[in-house]
Amino acid sequence: GAVVSQHPSRVICKSGTSVKIECRSLDFQATTMFWYRQFPKQSLMLMATSNEGSKATYEQGVEKDKFLINHASLTLSTLTVTSAHPEDSSFYICSAAPSDSYEQYFGPGTRLTVT
Amino acid sequence: AQSVTQLDSHVSVSEGTPVLLRCNYSSSYSPSLFWYVQHPNKGLQLLLKYTSAATLVKGINGFEAEFKKSETSFHLTKPSAHMSDAAEYFCVVSDRYGGYNKLIFGAGTRLAVHP
Repeated sequence: GAVVSQHPSRVICKSGTSVKIECRSLDFQATTMFWYRQFPKQSLMLMATSNEGSKATYEQGVEKDKFLINHASLTLSTLTVTSAHPEDSSFYICSAAPSDSYEQYFGPGTRLTVT
Repeated sequence: AQSVTQLDSHVSVSEGTPVLLRCNYSSSYSPSLFWYVQHPNKGLQLLLKYTSAATLVKGINGFEAEFKKSETSFHLTKPSAHMSDAAEYFCVVSDRYGGYNKLIFGAGTRLAVHP
């Protein structure tokens, strides 16, 4: 149990376009979902926390207008990278916390490459 | 604020020898601590967690960690390394933030296992 999926696993886009990444909790309801960013050979940095039905809380230094997060249901959160640039190329990982637990379950990640 | 420091960025061992990955934490209260493993291009997998129960925590794949409050340490060990253990390991502390846990990741330790 407690499986989290992400789609797509890899995406390549051109500079200036927008990309949407989906995060789904497959077998549980997630009140809270988290989005992380991981640069090559570096650790995970929390970008934002989203609660179902409310606005996301962004970490300091993360542009909320560039990284749009929507948590429309208890099983789906989306991250949209708007007007992507090469410096946005990274590994984006989501996690989900069940409604009755503080524990987080991680998705497999999405590798974004902006050309 | 909570933080973790992983003392080694790289650790190299021979197959069949013990593994020690070091982690120190900083916390203003009794923390929850985790070790995650990340294989190349894969998602994060929880190895074990400490949540104020037994100080010696056993995890998956033969790993264990000991919580030592006096030393503010949570080192990860395994008696005998296997080639499949080669991966990136993250020590993580949780920060209780409202209704959810905010995870703070260490910088990571890359474990290499040689034949």
